[in-house]
Amino acid sequence: DAKTTQPPSMDCAEGRAANLPCNHSTISGNEYVYWYRQIHSQGPQYIIHGLKNNETNEMASLIITEDRKSSTLILPHATLRDTAVYYCIGVPHRGSTLGRLYFGRGTQLTVWP
Amino acid sequence: SAVISQKPSRDICQRGTSLTIQCQVDSQVTMMFWYRQQPGQSLTLIATANQGSEATYESGFVIDKFPISRPNLTFSTLTVSNMSPEDSSIYLCSVVYQGRANTEAFFGQGTRLTVV
Repeated sequence: DAKTTQPPSMDCAEGRAANLPCNHSTISGNEYVYWYRQIHSQGPQYIIHGLKNNETNEMASLIITEDRKSSTLILPHATLRDTAVYYCIGVPHRGSTLGRLYFGRGTQLTVWP
Repeated sequence: SAVISQKPSRDICQRGTSLTIQCQVDSQVTMMFWYRQQPGQSLTLIATANQGSEATYESGFVIDKFPISRPNLTFSTLTVSNMSPEDSSIYLCSVVYQGRANTEAFFGQGTRLTVV
């Protein structure tokens, strides 16, 4: 079962930062916070992940609260191509459910010109 | 990374028939999964395709309805049996690579199935 909650939709102006929140107060201590996105009519795409430290890569930044109950995905300069559904998922790196992804409803991000 | 090819990309089928979806990966991979995405919904995990043994199904999915084969580490099939309009969905194949500090999933482009 999905253990994360996200707002169903958000808007963002092109060129501005998009900050997508996720509540994951019930994920276990060995679960990493992963973010995927799904652009219309495509398979989901990995964005970034973290355990308890903030992370940054070429696509985004991930800010995880110290208590690990929530996180924020930041797209620093949103473009029209970032319009997609964004999923926050708790993923263990070991155990019987390794590899299985349980998607919640995600957040539909719409970037407007 | 992984390149995943799914066939067919889409199909329109008559109710009561069956459709087999193929998933081919460009490299050997241990973990392979099948998902369903109903119209306007999120992805739901159907099963884990295990190489050399029976697939592991999630709650609500059964082998008689969704038989899965995994003959080797680069290929799997999902069959949607005795289809009804409620089976109209996008079916996606996924593989997962486990690195030292991540378990990244890659997805195929999906098979869009319409049952009439």
